[in-house]
Amino acid sequence: LAKTTQPISMDSYEGQEVNITCSHNNIATNDYITWYQQFPSQGPRFIIQGYKTKVTNEVASLFIPADRKSSTLSLPRVSLSDTAVYYCLVGGAGSYQLTFGKGTKLSVIP
Amino acid sequence: GAVVSQHPSWVICKSGTSVKIECRSLDFQATTMFWYRQFPKQSLMLMATSNEGSKATYEQGVEKDKFLINHASLTLSTLTVTSAHPEDSSFYICSASIGQVETQYFGPGTRLLVL
Repeated sequence: LAKTTQPISMDSYEGQEVNITCSHNNIATNDYITWYQQFPSQGPRFIIQGYKTKVTNEVASLFIPADRKSSTLSLPRVSLSDTAVYYCLVGGAGSYQLTFGKGTKLSVIP
Repeated sequence: GAVVSQHPSWVICKSGTSVKIECRSLDFQATTMFWYRQFPKQSLMLMATSNEGSKATYEQGVEKDKFLINHASLTLSTLTVTSAHPEDSSFYICSASIGQVETQYFGPGTRLLVL
């Protein structure tokens, strides 16, 4: 299972773009990268998933360089409600046992 | 799509009693279901992985006789905490996987307080 490393915490002002980078140096060929958001006392919520290059949905973008050893979650124009813990996880079909790291605690400041 | 529910959302019980938590995938049939535990200010810890009709696979250090998992169908898994003690008080979260990548979708969690 690929181990991931993320910053423990980040602060941002409302309206700014936030980029959270995750390192996964030993990612396997079949592994996908998935990001989750968790609010206190709630289960993690799926944000976005990708394999390579760039993926965009209605809430975020995910940038994955060619070597796939890292990935960056981009949240455009954050609001106070985006204050949460964000987890980066790596895995693939058949071996998708998710090992949660400590995640990144994002605090959005008014 | 990909909605997972849990019931109950919170439960308080006396020490020594058993508590059952249900996890359901509402709009899809799950390949696999997972159970996690999360203590305050900590990350999620995987307890066990279960597939419909087969025995669950427990992570190291998780007592299978204490945390009974039954995976009766492709949409329902239950976790029973037997003879619960105060140290079992925690936030229990299930997930269900779907798709070629077997992406996991999580339930809202169940807060257990053992008195």
